Amino acid sequence: DAGVIQSPRHEVTEMGQEVTLRCKPISGHNSLFWYRQTMMRGLELLIYFNNNVPIDDSGMPEDRFSAKMPNASFSTLKIQPSEPRDSAVYFCASSSPRSGYTFGSGTRLTVV
Amino acid sequence: SQQGEEDPQALSIQEGENATMNCSYKTSINNLQWYRQNSGRGLVHLILIRSNEREKHSGRLRVTLDTSKKSSSLLITASRAADTASYFCATDERGAQKLVFGQGTRLTINP
Repeated sequence: DAGVIQSPRHEVTEMGQEVTLRCKPISGHNSLFWYRQTMMRGLELLIYFNNNVPIDDSGMPEDRFSAKMPNASFSTLKIQPSEPRDSAVYFCASSSPRSGYTFGSGTRLTVV
Repeated sequence: SQQGEEDPQALSIQEGENATMNCSYKTSINNLQWYRQNSGRGLVHLILIRSNEREKHSGRLRVTLDTSKKSSSLLITASRAADTASYFCATDERGAQKLVFGQGTRLTINP
């Protein structure tokens, strides 16, 4: 298995633009998590899905953030409109009851 | 919100010495996990200790868990320069199905 695959690896965008981050979890994993990492706030859980259903989105900072999981093999995190304070590394992770968590390599987002 | 609190925030030791990092948490947990993150990279799972376990070993890693004190420690023995990284504890909260991370300890091994 190629692990959790995130794209793009790096994204630089202008303030106000829409940003879409993508994640392909490990096949067979039924939970998917989106995290954001910054120097100031560390690793924050934004939202997680279980069997494609959003379970807890209390970590989503604002209505500008939205996440979807249309099927078991794909999830997106969208920021619209983006702001400079959204600059961070966004990680996706997946897990199953029989396995631990596996993290993707992250997407480094810079909003200028 | 962050549950785990790592201590110290930064640790610098000589190669060959042992490194100990501590983590405290607040809620009931199913398990506690330790992760490593090299600069600019993703998180790598190191070891998981369940709430009914008190100690676990994996190679040069030793993890302890004290649920009465809601604390855990990670010991890396005979440290190597390649161990330089940030180390995070994460708690799998009971009933919540999610992993909550602490702020991490930045470990530097000096050759």
